[in-house]
Amino acid sequence: DAGVIQSPRHEVTEMGQEVTLRCKPISGHNSLFWYRQTMMRGLELLIYFNNNVPIDDSGMPEDRFSAKMPNASFSTLKIQPSEPRDSAVYFCASSPKSSALSYNEQFFGPGTRLTVL
Amino acid sequence: DAKTTQPNSMESNEEEPVHLPCNHSTISGTDYIHWYRQLPSQGPEYVIHGLTSNVNNRMASLAIAEDRKSSTLILHRATLRDAAVYYCILRDPLDPDRGSTLGRLYFGRGTQLTVWP
Repeated sequence: DAGVIQSPRHEVTEMGQEVTLRCKPISGHNSLFWYRQTMMRGLELLIYFNNNVPIDDSGMPEDRFSAKMPNASFSTLKIQPSEPRDSAVYFCASSPKSSALSYNEQFFGPGTRLTVL
Repeated sequence: DAKTTQPNSMESNEEEPVHLPCNHSTISGTDYIHWYRQLPSQGPEYVIHGLTSNVNNRMASLAIAEDRKSSTLILHRATLRDAAVYYCILRDPLDPDRGSTLGRLYFGRGTQLTVWP
């Protein structure tokens, strides 16, 4: 298994431009998570999906951020317009179905390092 | 969400045991204790988890205090590859019927473990 795949691995863009980050979860996993990591705030959960449906987007910083999961094998995180303070490493993670009686670990991708100039 | 407290950093020599502490005095009866670690320039990876009893796996051991207000991750023989940030996390209780909080993880600052050769 290839694990969680993220693209691009690095993105440098200018303030005001649209940025789209992509994620392919592990096949068969039905939960997908987007995290952001910065030195100041550490690792923060932005949004997560279960069976392609957004369950909790309370971590999304503002309306400039949006996430979609059109099918079980693909998700995008879009920032429009981007700002320098969005510079961070963005991680995607996936997990098999969890329940109150069992726990399935989250598998993280390698991350996308975003720099907004 | 219940919080955890960890030392900012710890050091160890190679092939020595390492005990990484975590305090979680506000843990609820249904919270599981999870440990993840993040190697340099990588996404976090699962290490171990437990509820009340001590747990062992191929990577580490987890010792949980009787009152569950603290726990310790034990690396029996540290290697250079174990140098990472270790996160102690309490999982948000699950309610699959509501379809909410499925598998949420709240990462704190973690402990930076340095392993000396």
